[in-house]
Amino acid sequence: DAGVTQSPTHLIKTRGQQVTLRCSPKSGHDTVSWYQQALGQGPQFIFQYYEEEERQRGNFPDRFSGHQFPNYSSELNVNALLLGDSALYLCASSFRDRGFYEQYFGPGTRLTVT
Amino acid sequence: TQLLEQSPQFLSIQEGENLTVYCNSSSVFSSLQWYRQEPGEGPVLLVTVVTGGEVKKLKRLTFQFGDARKDSSLHITAAQPGDTGLYLCAGVNSGGSNYKLTFGKGTLLTVNP
Repeated sequence: DAGVTQSPTHLIKTRGQQVTLRCSPKSGHDTVSWYQQALGQGPQFIFQYYEEEERQRGNFPDRFSGHQFPNYSSELNVNALLLGDSALYLCASSFRDRGFYEQYFGPGTRLTVT
Repeated sequence: TQLLEQSPQFLSIQEGENLTVYCNSSSVFSSLQWYRQEPGEGPVLLVTVVTGGEVKKLKRLTFQFGDARKDSSLHITAAQPGDTGLYLCAGVNSGGSNYKLTFGKGTLLTVNP
């Protein structure tokens, strides 16, 4: 049973460019959450997708957008990249119908903006 | 804005020693989770504590949730080099079918052989 997978593993972009990161959830999971983890910090919640809709959003600008596909996989898009967007981007999947949920994280995509 | 403060930020100990790390907040959470993250990997869930005063044990790890559900601690007995990693606590907010995690900055633990 494959866990959460993310692609690419590493990415280098230039300021002002746009980037798309991809996530495939663990088998049987229907909810995907995205987090940004800057160096030396804990992950910060970006947004969460369920039934192909954004259900919750953290304190991130509109440059950060996402999508969830019918197969539950998800994309994170970041426009007009800034140096401060350099971070590890983590995807986490879970199954919504739990009394309390358990998220499984992928290995992340390391984004470097130069 | 809900914040979780973890202490200490860094901890370096010798194999066999005991240690405790703390996670404190001014806010109440529905539940609290502890994760361990190793370099180049995503966080791995260790435990979820739900009830105030709850204590859970996972082999040499003991987790406690404060009575007021605002703070938690992780105690490791006889630490081993394999325990090395970044320990993150995360507060869970849930309302209806929506939920999100608020993470602390983590405690970076190094256990030296």
